[in-house]
Amino acid sequence: QKEVEQDPGPLSVPEGAIVSLNCTYSNSAFQYFMWYRQYSRKGPELLMYTYSSGNKEDGRFTAQVDKSSKYISLFIRDSQPSDSATYLCASNAGNNRKLIWGLGTSLAVNP
Amino acid sequence: GAGVSQSPSNKVTEKGKDVELRCDPISGHTALYWYRQSLGQGLEFLIYFQGNSAPDKSGLPSDRFSAERTGGSVSTLTIQRTQQEDSAVYLCASSSTRLQEQYFGPGTRLTVT
Repeated sequence: QKEVEQDPGPLSVPEGAIVSLNCTYSNSAFQYFMWYRQYSRKGPELLMYTYSSGNKEDGRFTAQVDKSSKYISLFIRDSQPSDSATYLCASNAGNNRKLIWGLGTSLAVNP
Repeated sequence: GAGVSQSPSNKVTEKGKDVELRCDPISGHTALYWYRQSLGQGLEFLIYFQGNSAPDKSGLPSDRFSAERTGGSVSTLTIQRTQQEDSAVYLCASSSTRLQEQYFGPGTRLTVT
């Protein structure tokens, strides 16, 4: 079992839809949870960063962590075609530990 | 400011040749990472530098792979005697004190024929 599991999709939604992207993890020591976005032929870029449990909102994006169920979510409201990308979740146990990455979910937002 | 840069952006090489991939991190970033990304395989960690030392080389797939970092800045990933299975995008990232916040370069697309 991989330490971070992520459904690769692809996920296709109409413009304006609410998108839910999810990951699960197995290591209860994980404290830091990140979402990166990767456009085609580009490197990933950090989208959201969360420490421990709870929600974090940034514009149309909300990151949610439920440590009791080891579940990580990213919600995108009012999705736009420019949101079409691959979304990778990542986690680690501490500031000096390497990130453990999910495989990424491919999202297409159709106009 | 300038982001992470990598060169070359594309490299086609014949099986058995050696290749060198270069990464210029963001100025002042002490941590540097190399990853490999193959289609459908996600990000595969290769090596992590803190300054010029590499406390974690656990991801290097074989002894054909090596990396160095000089002056706490530029890093070079070398692949000797390339094989077709080495074909992938090689990504470099750097970070400052918060290691989770990694800034990625555009990658080098390596094709071994």
